[in-house]
Amino acid sequence: DQQVKQNSPSLSVQEGRISILNCDYTNSMFDYFLWYKKYPAEGPTFLISISSIKDKNEDGRFTVFLNKSAKHLSLHIVPSQPGDSAVYFCAAREGAQKLVFGQGTRLTINP
Amino acid sequence: GAGVSQSPSNKVTEKGKDVELRCDPISGHTALYWYRQSLGQGLEFLIYFQGNSAPDKSGLPSDRFSAERTGGSVSTLTIQRTQQEDSAVYLCASSRDLTGGPNYGYTFGSGTRLTVV
Repeated sequence: DQQVKQNSPSLSVQEGRISILNCDYTNSMFDYFLWYKKYPAEGPTFLISISSIKDKNEDGRFTVFLNKSAKHLSLHIVPSQPGDSAVYFCAAREGAQKLVFGQGTRLTINP
Repeated sequence: GAGVSQSPSNKVTEKGKDVELRCDPISGHTALYWYRQSLGQGLEFLIYFQGNSAPDKSGLPSDRFSAERTGGSVSTLTIQRTQQEDSAVYLCASSRDLTGGPNYGYTFGSGTRLTVV
């Protein structure tokens, strides 16, 4: 039972353009959502998060949008830079529970 | 330490052998988690420890998998009679506690890449 899904295994974007990574979830009790970024041979690192009481959170080039009615969130990166090439994981939690992760999306930024 | 340390970074083992993977969390972090990432898959939860509470073992895939955390610090994940499907990157993470802060504070180690041949 995949509670957090990232349906796009990969995404390729031109440098300077906007990257949009998508995530869907099924558990309406999730109250916090996070995005992690992972480079090869390294552990995932926290990128940005959003509470279920908000619909948008922005941090520099990164913005996360939450649509609770659709059980959907997205990460926007603008402008995209070559260093953004990595695997991005969406994660969610219900109260003081462990994080549930999606399958990840490999983002490639082309020069 | 400054970060979460995992050892070994790579492990190749023969099918049927036992392996031990080690995780040294950030000092003062009371919660410790094990996840694994199989080829082409997401991060699969295995087990977590929170302080002195009984661990949540709900993610362990079989009784060949076990983990312990000694003295509330270092954790060892043991896989007995390894199978080829156990091949994956095993990631450890720690956080201050389960209720702390909106960012939740997971810090991951670099992982152990296990290959069962």
